[in-house]
Amino acid sequence: EAGVTQFPSHSVIEKGQTVTLRCDPISGHDNLYWYRRVMGKEIKFLLHFVKESKQDESGMPNNRFLAERTGGTYSTLKVQPAELEDSGVYFCASSQARGLGAKNIQYFGAGTRLSVL
Amino acid sequence: GQQVMQIPQYQHVQEGEDFTTYCNSSTTLSNIQWYKQRPGGHPVFLIQLVKSGEVKKQKRLTFQFGEAKKNSSLHITATQTTDVGTYFCAGRTSYDKVIFGPGTSLSVIP
Repeated sequence: EAGVTQFPSHSVIEKGQTVTLRCDPISGHDNLYWYRRVMGKEIKFLLHFVKESKQDESGMPNNRFLAERTGGTYSTLKVQPAELEDSGVYFCASSQARGLGAKNIQYFGAGTRLSVL
Repeated sequence: GQQVMQIPQYQHVQEGEDFTTYCNSSTTLSNIQWYKQRPGGHPVFLIQLVKSGEVKKQKRLTFQFGEAKKNSSLHITATQTTDVGTYFCAGRTSYDKVIFGPGTSLSVIP
């Protein structure tokens, strides 16, 4: 079974440009999460999809960030226009279900390292 | 807001020594999960604790969940160089949100 895949693995862009990150969750996982880790700091929650619906987007930093999950499969996270402070590693995770059981375990992708110059 | 803290931030140990990282939440948690991230890698799930006072073991790793379900610890006995990485706790709140701690970065000196 394929794990969570993210593309690209690295992205270097200039301030003001647009970048789109993609996440393909594990097949059958309805829950998809985006996180960001800025250098040396904690992994911060950005948002959570249940199928194609945004369940919780309270962690999105501002309106320069737009996440979509059309059809409830893969998701994209667009940053437009990118700023220097957007640099970091963006992780995507997916889980089969929510709640307390084993099905809520989140499986992480390898992340996209974004550098804004 | 709800916070999950971890101490220490960094730990350097001699190979063979023990290591413990502590996780504390500002609120009661539904469950807590532990992840390990190797340098340059991504977080990998280690274990989930659900019950108050629960203790689980994985070989040299011992995980505890506090009685009040607000704190947790990870203890590694006789560290090895393969244990190097950052250990994150992640608490699930009553609102079903997962909050990660800042992580404890472990270095093992051979």
